[in-house]
Amino acid sequence: EVQLVESGGGLVQPGRSLKLSCAASGFTFSNYYMAWVRQAPKKGLEWVATISTSGSRTYYPDSVKGRFTISRDNAKSSLYLQMNSLKSEDTATYYCARRNWEDWGQGVMVTVSS
Amino acid sequence: DVVMTQTPPSLSVAIGQSVSISCKSSQSLVYSDGKTYLHWLLQSPGRSPKRLIYQVSNLGSGVPDRFSGTGSQKDFTLKISRVEAEDLGVYYCAQTTHFPLTFGSGTKLEIK
Repeated sequence: EVQLVESGGGLVQPGRSLKLSCAASGFTFSNYYMAWVRQAPKKGLEWVATISTSGSRTYYPDSVKGRFTISRDNAKSSLYLQMNSLKSEDTATYYCARRNWEDWGQGVMVTVSS
Repeated sequence: DVVMTQTPPSLSVAIGQSVSISCKSSQSLVYSDGKTYLHWLLQSPGRSPKRLIYQVSNLGSGVPDRFSGTGSQKDFTLKISRVEAEDLGVYYCAQTTHFPLTFGSGTKLEIK
């Protein structure tokens, strides 16, 4: 059974940093592109970042480019999202997801507020 | 960016009825490999999204065959035959052909 378990969320002040983690199991992690998607309260889904199987290629929307960094450790079957210079509009539930939205984690809440 | 336009924004349907949701993209979703990376997701209340349909018409693992997807290029439809109570939630179309990846704004399905 595929499992994606996010962690690392919480309350953070504007301008500060936070790092999310996603522990994957039940599939060969190194064979799959992985992504982060977020959902602001009562809003729709927004893609945040994607990383290739080796980690050599990363992709971001303009809304987070230069502030967020996606990375992975295939030996640990783990995905990460480093979020810097956080803004109030980054407040959302963040989901870890497998390629082409095949599987999703349960999500982790990030609140950016003073 | 590829804009995904979903209609209607909401639906109210009785158990056993059939419904269709439309998704139109601002660009063709056919990738260079010839495949079309248009997917349908369901987010049940309080839950994470779940993929129902991938690449236009392929049923996801464990998804009942009451769900079906059709379409091509820029025009896609999700059909739910014989709606059940467990089908309530928000349906999203999503494309993974072009970066930035984008989602439709969602269709909220309510049960009468």
